[in-house]
Amino acid sequence: DGGITQSPKYLFRKEGQNVTLSCEQNLNHDAMYWYRQDPGQGLRLIYYSQIVNDFQKGDIAEGYSVSREKKESFPLTVTSAQKNPTAFYLCASSIGANTGELFFGEGSRLTVL
Amino acid sequence: AQSVTQLGSHVSVSEGALVLLRCNYSSSVPPYLFWYVQYPNQGLQLLLKYTTGATLVKGINGFEAEFKKSETSFHLTKPSAHMSDAAEYFCAVTGGSQGNLIFGKGTKLSVKP
Repeated sequence: DGGITQSPKYLFRKEGQNVTLSCEQNLNHDAMYWYRQDPGQGLRLIYYSQIVNDFQKGDIAEGYSVSREKKESFPLTVTSAQKNPTAFYLCASSIGANTGELFFGEGSRLTVL
Repeated sequence: AQSVTQLGSHVSVSEGALVLLRCNYSSSVPPYLFWYVQYPNQGLQLLLKYTTGATLVKGINGFEAEFKKSETSFHLTKPSAHMSDAAEYFCAVTGGSQGNLIFGKGTKLSVKP
């Protein structure tokens, strides 16, 4: 079945450690996105990529980094510079940019102790 | 700038009652509008979308929404609530940077037996 796979589902880390969240899609979509979700705040865009080897900052990129070396993969690194990293992270993809119809993974819940 | 407002962070209805979740948007261009549903600890799933054409849009699970340009609204309705409808619902509009989606803060729907 085609879809988006995020791993791990749950992750615990100590303060000051970098963490990488995996996102893989087999939908052959060009565009991929990372969102952060906090209770009562909706979804906020961290980074997005419309094509391999290119990505742009979203609304809350500080303290995060991404790469897009392959079409199907878009990993997110939460660095120690992110002041409040505990959150639910969602990866999504779309056929192309500006289509609006996003397909989401199941999410990764990061807790920093 | 485009924005989305969902009125009511929590809505509670009885099983069998009408579901009405409100969404208002602001957009300087004709918008594409979306409703997504999220079950606990899962990603988002598309319920329905409006792009052009008929203003009453039908989606999955018996939900529908009507685009009212004069009221800048896109409210989500379902005639008869089911226990399985309990979830969080997000309204979204195109118009962010590079045409990305802008999400509302979400409305959590509870269904009482």
